[in-house]
Amino acid sequence: AQSVAQPEDQVNVAEGNPLTVKCTYSVSGNPYLFWYVQYPNRGLQFLLKYITGDNLVKGSYGFEAEFNKSQTSFHLKKPSALVSDSALYFCAVRDPGYQAGTALIFGKGTTLSVSS
Amino acid sequence: DVKVTQSSRYLVKRTGEKVFLECVQDMDHENMFWYRQDPGLGLRLIYFSYDVKMKEKGDIPEGYSVSREKKERFSLILESASTNQTSMYLCASSRRGAGELFFGEGSRLTVL
Repeated sequence: AQSVAQPEDQVNVAEGNPLTVKCTYSVSGNPYLFWYVQYPNRGLQFLLKYITGDNLVKGSYGFEAEFNKSQTSFHLKKPSALVSDSALYFCAVRDPGYQAGTALIFGKGTTLSVSS
Repeated sequence: DVKVTQSSRYLVKRTGEKVFLECVQDMDHENMFWYRQDPGLGLRLIYFSYDVKMKEKGDIPEGYSVSREKKERFSLILESASTNQTSMYLCASSRRGAGELFFGEGSRLTVL
């Protein structure tokens, strides 16, 4: 069965330090992988996606993610965290074999807290 | 910019009421989706539609129905609201293919 796991409910980092938000997936075919961010009482905003090609994907607001097929991971990273990065982050996967076609399967979310 | 508009940001309804949640997108996307978001559970797919008048069940369709009479509009219907349907409802759209989903701001429904 298709699934996405975000093993950490919360990640705490100090401003200026690098951050990593972890994501692993399980799908039957080649995955399409996505990261979204959600600010309080708002919808989800797209950050970046991996479809094919270079394993390192760069996205909005200085975020990047690395696709690792052998570890079935797609961790979100940023070299230097900002207080304004504090939000809820979702990893998602699209599995072409999923009965819902182009729908995304989401992880449970990771709350990122950046302290000044 | 793609815009997905959900008609109501906050709703309070009583148990047994019929509830309509409306969603409109302005980018001529073929696909539209309804998810619900609950703390600790992430987003769960309720229904999706890949064309006008077409609909498919997602992972948690029980207690819900949908309508897509026009390409730009996708409605979620709670025939008889129950307290366990208190949640944040998120509408999204995407173009056919591998494109990302674009989300509305969400509709927070409270059923008393």
